[in-house]
Amino acid sequence: DVKVTQSSRYLVKRTGEKVFLECVQDMDHENMFWYRQDPGLGLRLIYFSYDVKMKEKGDIPEGYSVSREKKERFSLILESASTNQTSMYLCASASPQGIRNTIYFGEGSWLTVV
Amino acid sequence: AQSVTQLDSHVSVSEGTPVLLRCNYSSSYSPSLFWYVQHPNKGLQLLLKYTSAATLVKGINGFEAEFKKSETSFHLTKPSAHMSDAAEYFCVVEGSSNTGKLIFGQGTTLQVKP
Repeated sequence: DVKVTQSSRYLVKRTGEKVFLECVQDMDHENMFWYRQDPGLGLRLIYFSYDVKMKEKGDIPEGYSVSREKKERFSLILESASTNQTSMYLCASASPQGIRNTIYFGEGSWLTVV
Repeated sequence: AQSVTQLDSHVSVSEGTPVLLRCNYSSSYSPSLFWYVQHPNKGLQLLLKYTSAATLVKGINGFEAEFKKSETSFHLTKPSAHMSDAAEYFCVVEGSSNTGKLIFGQGTTLQVKP
């Protein structure tokens, strides 16, 4: 079974803190993604990575950065957390064929910024 | 640019009755389309996908969807709802060819009444 693991399921952080959300996949996928999920807005793409050390901005990259030092791990970084970043964050991975195969999602990380 | 619109934010059915979740898409090319389901506090699970083969796509748990190019629709149906079908459903279109980037609809919450 493919596994996309988000190590932190529930976090509470203070405004201004630096926050790391970690994601690990075990299928040797090249492509990895970070989405943000908010009620009534569906999922919106923050960043994606198509190879180690490669990244591209998604639709809402402001206030976020990412790191992909190893193929299996894709980290989302909030340099200075703000209350409007309170949300559910979902990591996903896919093979280079992308859509023709399947994209696998982690179970999500609930972040509350107070 | 690709986009997807889910026409109902909330659908309520009785157990044993048919389910219809509506989705319209917009795409500059022949897209790949998906339905994902999310149960409470869980990640997203792929229900079914359309990738330019048969226009009637069968998925897991008795769900199916029909791709209608003339109507730019990809509605999700199930003949008989089960209590376990209560969840949030997302219609999704491929954002760009073969990258794995997805564009999500706003989601439809399905309530199943006993």
